[in-house]
Amino acid sequence: GENVEQHPSTLSVQEGDSAVIKCTYSDSASNYFPWYKQELGKGPQLIIDIRSNVGEKKDQRIAVTLNKTAKHFSLHITETQPEDSAVYFCAAGPSGNTPLVFGKGTRLSVIA
Amino acid sequence: SAVISQKPSRDICQRGTSLTIQCQVDSQVTMMFWYRQQPGQSLTLIATANQGSEATYESGFVIDKFPISRPNLTFSTLTVSNMSPEDSSIYLCSVRTANYGYTFGSGTRLTVV
Repeated sequence: GENVEQHPSTLSVQEGDSAVIKCTYSDSASNYFPWYKQELGKGPQLIIDIRSNVGEKKDQRIAVTLNKTAKHFSLHITETQPEDSAVYFCAAGPSGNTPLVFGKGTRLSVIA
Repeated sequence: SAVISQKPSRDICQRGTSLTIQCQVDSQVTMMFWYRQQPGQSLTLIATANQGSEATYESGFVIDKFPISRPNLTFSTLTVSNMSPEDSSIYLCSVRTANYGYTFGSGTRLTVV
């Protein structure tokens, strides 16, 4: 089955700097790669996703890149702000009606 | 995306008792899933809730401990049975929408004492 590895487990950046979180996956059949942000006491919120026919996607300060050959994808947050502090999860979705497999999460702290 | 209402948001329960968690979606969805998130950990899939048939459980999770109902395309329940302190976790309902996006409820924070 699918296995998703996520690094780093914790990340501290200064406000205004960029943050990068990386994930690798094992199942070449996976074709959907979302990123979730989870704040304390809340459920995960989808912030951006990418599908296997696209190499990069951007939404304001957030971007995701996908390298299908290497089976890895990354989240990039530019101009970080204190409200970006949260736990971020990557996930991979195999084709069909199968559920997502999640990475172990990255706790991002943005220091003002 | 779909809007999910999950109840209760939190509860403190005595060991040996059971708690039923409800998940209501504002639109019909084909796929519904239940996840567990232990403190400081990632999300682990418990089961896929199938409408009109028995849920599909992941390795390590059994129907007697986590019975699931899915009477229609907008509603599901998860029961945590005969609870012990090890069941203290956040339980999350998730649905898959038509464009393949997955949305999560706000979760149920369960503490077993």
